[in-house]
Amino acid sequence: GNSVTQMEGPVTLSEEAFLTINCTYTATGYPSLFWYVQYPGEGLQLLLKATKADDKGSNKGFEATYRKETTSFHLEKGSVQVSDSAVYFCALSDPNRDDKIIFGKGTRLHILP
Amino acid sequence: DAGVIQSPRHEVTEMGQEVTLRCKPISGHDYLFWYRQTMMRGLELLIYFNNNVPIDDSGMPEDRFSAKMPNASFSTLKIQPSEPRDSAVYFCASSGSGTGKSNEQFFGPGTRLTVL
Repeated sequence: GNSVTQMEGPVTLSEEAFLTINCTYTATGYPSLFWYVQYPGEGLQLLLKATKADDKGSNKGFEATYRKETTSFHLEKGSVQVSDSAVYFCALSDPNRDDKIIFGKGTRLHILP
Repeated sequence: DAGVIQSPRHEVTEMGQEVTLRCKPISGHDYLFWYRQTMMRGLELLIYFNNNVPIDDSGMPEDRFSAKMPNASFSTLKIQPSEPRDSAVYFCASSGSGTGKSNEQFFGPGTRLTVL
């Protein structure tokens, strides 16, 4: 079945450091891929998405590229800020099968000033 | 757009009591999802509806949990009787089939349930 595996946290970085959170997936067909972010005390919100191979999703300085050959969708940001501290979820959906989104376990990110 | 609305935001109850969580999805969305989030198990999908009809309830933990969607603008998740292990944050999310392939879900702020 479809699944998502992302690196375990917590990840602790200093402000302005480079960020990578790894995510790989298993799916049949051609899923859509997402990164969601959850700030403290809030629900999840979509950060970026990609719907086909080689697409790059980007938002708020974050980027992720849909790599079908490596079944990966790693999240990157060149210079993190304290306000980026949150939990990040990699996720996929297979619209040809159903409308559920399969979420990874989440990676907690702490940015130190 | 008000987004997904959940109530109450916090609920504290005693073991054995009935708990009802409420959700109003975004107007025009035809999918509604209920999730539970805990430190131990992470984010779990409990049940989801399409056009008010339950599609998949395989994530509902046991018979103490039930969910209804009487109309397109309202859903409830009920726990009866509640137990301390039900303590968690419960999220409602909605999405629209007209969004195309991406199926983006919009989450509410959650209800933090504590069962003593």
